[in-house]
Amino acid sequence: EVQLVESGGGLVQPGGSLRVSCAVSGVNVSTNYVIWVRQAPGKGLEWVSVIDSGDSTDYADSVKGRFIISRDNSKNTVYLEMNSLRVEDTAVYYCARPVRVPNDAFDIWGHGTMVTVSS
Amino acid sequence: SFELTQPLSVSVALGQTATIICGGNNIGRNYVHWYQQKPGQAPVLLIYRDVYRPSGIPERFSGSNSGNTATLTINRAQDGDEADYYCQVWDNSRVIFGGGTKLTVL
Repeated sequence: EVQLVESGGGLVQPGGSLRVSCAVSGVNVSTNYVIWVRQAPGKGLEWVSVIDSGDSTDYADSVKGRFIISRDNSKNTVYLEMNSLRVEDTAVYYCARPVRVPNDAFDIWGHGTMVTVSS
Repeated sequence: SFELTQPLSVSVALGQTATIICGGNNIGRNYVHWYQQKPGQAPVLLIYRDVYRPSGIPERFSGSNSGNTATLTINRAQDGDEADYYCQVWDNSRVIFGGGTKLTVL
């Protein structure tokens, strides 16, 4: 069974940094896209970042220059390093990956990890 | 950048058919995927590439996509279908989600 498990969320002050992780089991993390999606309280889904099998990355304009996505194949884990955090970055952060569908849809999601940016 | 427009809310009577639309400029040229999200839960993929259902998704859920509108249709709506529904496309190397539609079953 393929599972994605996020961790590393918590409370951080504005301007601070945090790294969240997405541990993948049951499939090799390096063979397909992994995306990060966030959801602010009471709001919709917002795509944050993507890393592909060739290590190419992209970011939403709202986080570009502040967030960095990376992958550790030896740990089968994808990370999202979040810097210069703002109050508006407060959200549940989900990772997702295609497994049993074509690689432009995301059928496996983690349960999410909550990031709260507040003083 | 590409934008997807969804109605904020849709209501449907129990047992009837609900239609949720997702608008975008020439969206028919893109593959559209649909997700269902219930409160406190992660999204679930309902429809991929316009019309296909992942394993385990009931046949009551179907999709179509043409011109400037993609459509998610839910037949014989049940109480358990009350949820938020999101459409999704790719725009070059970026993932785009619609704003989401809250479905209420009356």
